[in-house]
Amino acid sequence: QQQVKQSPQSLIVQKGGIPIINCAYENTAFDYFPWYQQFPGKGPALLIAIRPDVSEKKEGRFTISFNKSAKQFSLHIMDSQPGDSATYFCAASAETSGSRLTFGEGTQLTVNP
Amino acid sequence: DSGVTQTPKHLITATGQRVTLRCSPRSGDLSVYWYQQSLDQGLQFLIQYYNGEERAKGNILERFSAQQFPDLHSELNLSSLELGDSALYFCASSVNPENSPLHFGNGTRLTVT
Repeated sequence: QQQVKQSPQSLIVQKGGIPIINCAYENTAFDYFPWYQQFPGKGPALLIAIRPDVSEKKEGRFTISFNKSAKQFSLHIMDSQPGDSATYFCAASAETSGSRLTFGEGTQLTVNP
Repeated sequence: DSGVTQTPKHLITATGQRVTLRCSPRSGDLSVYWYQQSLDQGLQFLIQYYNGEERAKGNILERFSAQQFPDLHSELNLSSLELGDSALYFCASSVNPENSPLHFGNGTRLTVT
C-alpha cells in the first residue's frame, strides 16, 4: 500500500501558536519522509526531512517528530507567523522505489496576525 | 528559486488538442519527475526519467507521454485532451534516482476548455 494519509485538511492558528500536522503511512519500506511547503502559484518547496533512524529533527522553527512503531510522523511549527500561511504536504519514499515521492493530501495552514 | 524551470506557466487549450510541457532540471540533476496536481487528487506521480531513460511510471494515462533529452531537459506530451486533464503539472529534479531530495519547478497550469 503506497498511501500517505495527512490531517487535518485545514488549520487556522493565531500568530505565535504551534500548528501540528500529522501524517500516517502503511508501507513499511518507506525510509525517507520530507515535508514540503507550497505557496499559491508556486511549486512545492522542500522544508525539512527525516529518516527513520531518528525520532526528531529540528530546523529553525520547524520540527519533525517520527514514530516508527506507529508509522506516523508530524510537523510542528514553533512561533508561527502569518508568512507561514501556506499548504503543507507530507511525503514518503522508499529506497526500493528511488526518489519518487508519495504525497499526503495537503494541509492548508492559515496563521492569523 | 529551486533552479527547476518549467514552461509555459499557463496553457489554455480545447478538448481533443495536444500540448507539450517543458522542464529544465537543476544544474547537475540527472533525474526528472513529472507530477500532476489537481484539487481532488493532490500531487500524483506520473513518470520518472534518469539520464535519458525511463525509470518508473505512476498514474500516467496512455494519452500522455514523456521523454528526457540528451541535454537532460524533459517534455511531457498530453494528447486528446479532456476537461479532466485540467490541472497543475509539476516537474521536479534530483541528483540521482536513489533517495535524493526532489526540487520542484513552479508548474504549468493547464486549462482544457
